[in-house]
Amino acid sequence: DAGVTQSPTHLIKTRGQHVTLRCSPISGHKSVSWYQQVLGQGPQFIFQYYEKEERGRGNFPDRFSARQFPNYSSELNVNALLLGDSALYLCASSPTGQGISNQPQHFGDGTRLSIL
Amino acid sequence: EDKVVQSPLSLVVHEGDTVTLNCSYEVTNFRSLLWYKQEKKAPTFLFMLTSSGIEKKSGRLSSILDKKELFSILNITATQTGDSAIYLCVRGGSNYKLTFGKGTLLTVNP
Repeated sequence: DAGVTQSPTHLIKTRGQHVTLRCSPISGHKSVSWYQQVLGQGPQFIFQYYEKEERGRGNFPDRFSARQFPNYSSELNVNALLLGDSALYLCASSPTGQGISNQPQHFGDGTRLSIL
Repeated sequence: EDKVVQSPLSLVVHEGDTVTLNCSYEVTNFRSLLWYKQEKKAPTFLFMLTSSGIEKKSGRLSSILDKKELFSILNITATQTGDSAIYLCVRGGSNYKLTFGKGTLLTVNP
């Protein structure tokens, strides 16, 4: 069975541009969450979506937005990119709408975003 | 602010050694304590702990939670080079929030 897949694997953008990152969850998983991992740090929670609704949001500015589609895949959008947005963006899925603190998350390999 | 503090931040051992990784956390809205292993990119799940004093084991790895003293440890016995990775401690807070520690970088030399 395929795991969580993310695209693209690498991306280079310049300051001020916007970016869309994509995530397909494990088949049968209905919840998707997004994380930002800056080099040398642990991941930071950005969003959780379940059944197309936002269930939780971390401490990120409004430049960050996301959505979930009827097939449970998800997109993370970041506008007005800053140098500090350079990071590995991880997507994770889980089977149910239970909070992400109550069930293990299955992570994808991430998208490495570099801002020049 | 929720905090998860891991120690040591890095550790170098020889194959066969036993290691103990530490994690302390803040208590506010605590739901669970999770451990993940991150080798190259995707973190992989190891353990989820919700009850104090109950050890969870998986092969050479084990973990336990102390909710009174607000810490958890991850033990790895008879380490192998394949155990080299970053080990992430994660605090589950209110239902929709996870707080990660910075991780412990474990290097196991042959």
